[in-house]
Amino acid sequence: EAGVAQSPRYKIIEKRQSVAFWCNPISGHATLYWYQQILGQGPKLLIQFQNNGVVDDSQLPKDRFSAERLKGVDSTLKIQPAKLEDSAVYLCASSLEREQYFGPGTRLTVT
Amino acid sequence: AQSVTQLGSHVSVSEGALVLLRCNYSSSVPPYLFWYVQYPNQGLQLLLKYTSAATLVKGINGFEAEFKKSETSFHLTKPSAHMSDAAEYFCAVSSGRDDKIIFGKGTRLHILP
Repeated sequence: EAGVAQSPRYKIIEKRQSVAFWCNPISGHATLYWYQQILGQGPKLLIQFQNNGVVDDSQLPKDRFSAERLKGVDSTLKIQPAKLEDSAVYLCASSLEREQYFGPGTRLTVT
Repeated sequence: AQSVTQLGSHVSVSEGALVLLRCNYSSSVPPYLFWYVQYPNQGLQLLLKYTSAATLVKGINGFEAEFKKSETSFHLTKPSAHMSDAAEYFCAVSSGRDDKIIFGKGTRLHILP
């Protein structure tokens, strides 16, 4: 069974630039999550999708972050414009029966 | 509201010694509890989970955890540490009503030769 795929694995951008991350969940998993993991901390939920609908985006900084999940499969997370404090690993996960499976993450460095 | 507290951001043990990583939870409903491991530059991998069945849960790689309601704890143990166990470990809690998981801040495990 293929796992959760994410790309790119690494990204370096300057502040005020925009960036997008892509996630392909495990086939058949209806729920998809984006987490932000700042160095030295646990993952923090940014947004949760159920199929292509948003379940929870209360922690998403909506002035600069956006996410979509078209057709209830792949998802993209975008940051525009990026700030220095957005430097983190962005993890995507999908779940089935309350067990979450994580992708390898995208490490974003904002300079 | 739910939360987890992991005691000790760094733990060092000698190879072959007992591993004990501490986690205390707070939950207003019967919790689901998880331990995840994260190796460098990788995502999180589920080690084990408690879902209100047996209080002693066995996971992968020789790890186990015991749910103690009276102590609101879910400590992770392994009888004999191996060099390959060096990683970051996260305790997490869920209400069980949905898939949402709240993570602790993590404990980095160092294995000394």
